Amino acid sequence: GQQLNQSPQSMFIQEGEDVSMNCTSSSIFNTWLWYKQDPGEGPVLLIALYKAGELTSNGRLTAQFGITRKDSFLNISASIPSDVGIYFCAGRTNFGNEKLTFGTGTRLTIIP
Amino acid sequence: GAGVSQTPSNKVTEKGKYVELRCDPISGHTALYWYRQSLGQGPEFLIYFQGTGAADDSGLPNDRFFAVRPEGSVSTLKIQRTERGDSAVYLCASSSRPGQGNTGELFFGEGSRLTVL
Repeated sequence: GQQLNQSPQSMFIQEGEDVSMNCTSSSIFNTWLWYKQDPGEGPVLLIALYKAGELTSNGRLTAQFGITRKDSFLNISASIPSDVGIYFCAGRTNFGNEKLTFGTGTRLTIIP
Repeated sequence: GAGVSQTPSNKVTEKGKYVELRCDPISGHTALYWYRQSLGQGPEFLIYFQGTGAADDSGLPNDRFFAVRPEGSVSTLKIQRTERGDSAVYLCASSSRPGQGNTGELFFGEGSRLTVL
């Protein structure tokens, strides 16, 4: 099935550094979501975006819904060890109960 | 329960066997979704129920895969004549109907890891 393109595929950073990752699609979405997945767990929702151009924060996380509705960005400031994991973007065509299309994931590793 | 519950957490089977995976959604959630996640990939949509009916089954890869939700709560994903390529983590998610202060976002279970030998 279709998957959205995420970059980078993996990141190796030091604790305290800021992180940026993005997600692009060939088609338009009306909702963009960012999830984090830890090993052996299901994805957990971090941030949801519902309007083109919207910039939303959740603690140290900030995400933006691209103006073209074909991309989204996630930034993490001052990374801490518990930020380690895999981050997935997801898009949805319509507001409400409907399937999500996920990205390929960005694996974040913190170097001691 | 408090979250989405999936059983079994791990299932090892032989090629050609029949498998059932169960999902117990968050109480009161009307929508239920099945996704499949292969190693190193994001979750891929399989099927979505609104109540008892399958609202969208476009992600089921072939007719060996089938899912039911007879009473609008618990769902079972059924895989016939399993193949090695079916090995993956099968994730279930549920959501409430948008409105009344919620946006209908998905809450995922921990998944059922299926290994076909």
